Order: sequence, then structure tokens, then C-alpha cells
Amino acid sequence: DAGVIQSPRHEVTEMGQEVTLRCKPISGHNSLFWYRQTMMRGLELLIYFNNNVPIDDSGMPEDRFSAKMPNASFSTLKIQPSEPRDSAVYFCASSYGTDPYEQYFGPGTRLTVT
Amino acid sequence: QKEVEQNSGPLSVPEGAIASLNCTYSDRVSQSFFWYRQYSGKSPELIMSIYSNGDKEDGRFTAQLNKASQYVSLLIRDSQPSDSATYLCAVNKRRDDKIIFGKGTRLHILP
Repeated sequence: DAGVIQSPRHEVTEMGQEVTLRCKPISGHNSLFWYRQTMMRGLELLIYFNNNVPIDDSGMPEDRFSAKMPNASFSTLKIQPSEPRDSAVYFCASSYGTDPYEQYFGPGTRLTVT
Repeated sequence: QKEVEQNSGPLSVPEGAIASLNCTYSDRVSQSFFWYRQYSGKSPELIMSIYSNGDKEDGRFTAQLNKASQYVSLLIRDSQPSDSATYLCAVNKRRDDKIIFGKGTRLHILP
């Protein structure tokens, strides 16, 4: 079975540009999580969805960040406008059930904003 | 106090020895505990989960949980160079709540 799929794997963009990250969760999983990882702050949860509904977006840093999950097999994380401090690795993870047990991570998107 | 604390390391252990990784958490009502392994440049991979006090063994890995002391550990027996990675401790405070990750401990197995 395919794991969590993320695209693109690498993204380099200039400050002020819009960035869209994409995620396809494992088939059958009904919870999806977006994380950001940096050396300074470690792995931070940005937002998570259950059955396509956002449950907790308290980790979204500011209004420049938005996330959607239009159906069970696709989610996007958008940054508009991007800033250099957004440079990080962004992971998507999915799990089965209403509890956030045993999450499975995608390969991540390395974002560099210059 | 940080919600989930780990020593950042690096922790250096000779090949074949036991590696002991420790994690403390601040919220006493936490219910679920996880260990993830992350190789450099890769994504976190779940290796152990534990939900009740005591030990849980899976191959060379043993997770230990002591809720009274708010302490969870991971033991790796017969350490191999392939175990060299960052190990992330994660805690779920309530059944319907998110998971909080520690910053991880870098483990280096010396050949």
C-alpha cells in the first residue's frame, strides 16, 4: 500500500510568492495532520482534520497560512505571502480513528523562501 | 516547563550495548505515549506506542512508562549502527487531543 504522499518534495520560492503544498493521506485514514519542523522549534503541529473537518488550527502561525481538505484523499497547505522565516520542512501525516493515535508521516516538503 | 522534554544529545553508545532514551512530560493526565525514529533528511517513523504503566517489548526495543513519575523511556538492546538517528518522544494528553512532540534525542551508535 502507498504511504502518505506529499508534493512537491522541494520548493524554492521568493519572498512574497504564494506556496501550495499538497498531501494525499493513506487510503482509509480519516485524520490528517500538517506539521512544520525546524531545528529551532522542532516538530510543530499546524492543523489537523478529522473526516475532512478542521479540528484544531491553533498551531497555524498567522493568517498567511491556510489549509483545506476538500475530500478524504487530498489536502493542501497554502502560504500567501511567503516569508523567509517560513523556510522549514513541512510534513503531512495521517491516522485512522477519531483519536490521533499512531500517525504515519509523508516524506515531507522542504520549503526554502529566499 | 516544556510539555515534552528530551535531552537533545548526542548520546553516543558502543555497538552492541543498550541505548537508553528518556522523556518527561508535564501534563499528568496524558494517556498515550509514542516513540518515533527520524533518520537525517527523512520523516518520523513510529516505532513504539505505550498506553499503560510498565514495559512493552518489541524485538530489540522496550518502551517503559511510569505515569506517577511522568516519565517514559525507550531502551534499544544490542545497538546497531543503523539505530543512529534522532528519537522523538510524543505524548497525547487526551483521547481527542493532539499529539505533542519533544525535540528529540540524537543517538549515535559507535561501530
